[in-house]
Amino acid sequence: DVKVTQSSRYLVKRTGEKVFLECVQDMDHENMFWYRQDPGLGLRLIYFSYDVKMKEKGDIPEGYSVSREKKERFSLILESASTNQTSMYLCASREGYNSPLHFGNGTRLTVT
Amino acid sequence: GENVEQHPSTLSVQEGDSAVIKCTYSDSASNYFPWYKQELGKRPQLIIDIRSNVGEKKDQRIAVTLNKTAKHFSLHITETQPEDSAVYFCAAMGGNAGKSTFGDGTTLTVKP
Repeated sequence: DVKVTQSSRYLVKRTGEKVFLECVQDMDHENMFWYRQDPGLGLRLIYFSYDVKMKEKGDIPEGYSVSREKKERFSLILESASTNQTSMYLCASREGYNSPLHFGNGTRLTVT
Repeated sequence: GENVEQHPSTLSVQEGDSAVIKCTYSDSASNYFPWYKQELGKRPQLIIDIRSNVGEKKDQRIAVTLNKTAKHFSLHITETQPEDSAVYFCAAMGGNAGKSTFGDGTTLTVKP
């Protein structure tokens, strides 16, 4: 069974801090994704990566960056956290094109 | 880019009744349509999916139908049970670089 692990379940940060959200998958999947989930807005794609050192912007990349130095690890970075980035962040991976996403448990980030 | 609309946003049924959730998509290049169930406080998990070369797929009490011409697909749950209560998301994938675009979600409540 695919396991996608997000390093923190809950995180509280202050405005202006640099924040790192870490995600690791154990199934050698090439594709990895970061979504943001807000009530009534579904899941919105922030960034995704098809391979190591590759990254593509999703629908809402502003204020975020990502890093993928190893195949199993995909990090989301908030360069300078703001209160409007308070949200649930979900990492996901998939085996290949047109296959299902496997999600992590999510990180609930609060920026004060 | 792809746009996915999902209806209704909330749905309440009596135990044993059927529930239907509908989604429409805009990108005719999309060719993979998964449905995810997210229970309170948990990660979204795949419950059923359909590819564009198939019109209908069933798995026990759950079925999905796809109408490519009209660009809509639906989730059908029969003989609903209280444990079916959750948020359900549809998604369309395959058009724009294989990104998954999600609907806004349907909160299903099954009353015992």
